[in-house]
Formats: sequence, C-alpha cells, structure tokens
Amino acid sequence: SQTIHQWPATLVQPVGSPLSLECTVEGTSNPNLYWYRQAAGRGLQLLFYSVGIGQISSEVPQNLSASRPQDRQFILSSKKLLLSDSGFYLCAWGQGITEAFFGQGTRLTVV
Amino acid sequence: AQSVAQPEDQVNVAEGNPLTVKCTYSVSGNPYLFWYVQYPNRGLQFLLKYITGDNLVKGSYGFEAEFNKSQTSFHLKKPSALVSDSALYFCAVRVSSGGGNNRLAFGKGNQVVVIP
Repeated sequence: SQTIHQWPATLVQPVGSPLSLECTVEGTSNPNLYWYRQAAGRGLQLLFYSVGIGQISSEVPQNLSASRPQDRQFILSSKKLLLSDSGFYLCAWGQGITEAFFGQGTRLTVV
Repeated sequence: AQSVAQPEDQVNVAEGNPLTVKCTYSVSGNPYLFWYVQYPNRGLQFLLKYITGDNLVKGSYGFEAEFNKSQTSFHLKKPSALVSDSALYFCAVRVSSGGGNNRLAFGKGNQVVVIP
C-alpha cells in the first residue's frame, strides 16, 4: 500500500534562517506531488506541484521554492524565512484524476 | 476557472441529528469532486469522491454525498452526527491543465461542531 511521510511535525525557526521540509512517498511510482499551505487553520493554498523529477510548477509568487530530486521525494525550501511564512504545510500525492493523499503536515512557526 | 464554494463558515448540529455540509461547484465539462476531513493539527483525510456513475456516493465513517448536476452541488451528509465528527471539512474539485497536470482546488472549509 502507498504511504506518505512528511517531516518534521513541528518546527520553530528564526526570521532569516533557511528552511527545508521533506516529503517522501512509498508504494507508487511517478506520482504527482503537491505542497499546500494552510493559514489560520482554514483554507488551503496550493504552492507547488510536480508531475515528474525536476518538473516544478509554482502557483503563487513567494519566498519559497520546491525541488524534486527523486521520483518520490519532494522538498520545500527557503533561503531566508519571513514571519509571513508561518503556517501549516501539507504535502500530498496523487495520480491521474483520482483523489490526493496527504501527509500529516508540518507546523512552521517563524519567530 | 474551475472551483468549489462552501457557503457556510460553521455548521452546528446536535448529536444524533442529520448533518449536511454544503458545496457547490463551477466546472466546465464533467466534474471530479471530493470531500476531505481534517482534525486539528493533522493532514486531510479522504472521505469520498464523485467521478461518474451513481449520484449518491458513499464514503468513510458513514458519510455520503449527493451529486446534483442541475444545482451544481455536491453536499456532504451523515444521517446521525457523532461528537467525534466535529472537524474541518473541505470540498475539492479536480483541475486539469493538460499534460498530466492535475491538482485539487479546495473550498475554504467548513467547521462542523457536533453538540453533545
């Protein structure tokens, strides 16, 4: 069966520090991968999605970047965090037109 | 643009009463619709989906949803709500931009509060 792992669960980082959040999927190949951000416990904003290794699409301009160095690995990064980057970050995977499956999320607090 | 709308911010219901969470969609072509539930500080859990076929879709934890093409709606329902159903519920629609680019567009979410 397929599983998705996302870590860390919580992270507190100072303003201006770098960020690296990792997401890996097991039990499938060539998945579509997604990074979402959820602010204030409500709406989900799609940040990035990837349909293959090295293929990244950005939905909104921002302080973050994403990379897909391997088929089932998706990384969210920042060189210098801003206070506004605080939020709940969710990684997800899907294939074709079916549903997406989500990781457990990372609560990022920038102080 | 393909999107979904969840018109209510919060739904309060007494335990044991029917629960309905509303969702309407705006899609060109055939819609692929989904419902998810989120508990505090957790990821989203898939509940059910409508791709094609029967308009009444049954999902996890006793939930079901009815696809209504004439009203462009996909409301989530449960005949008898439990306190443990208190959570945030998201409706979503599949957005395709060709070349295998498929992603979900989510509604703003509905907070469901089931009162004991």
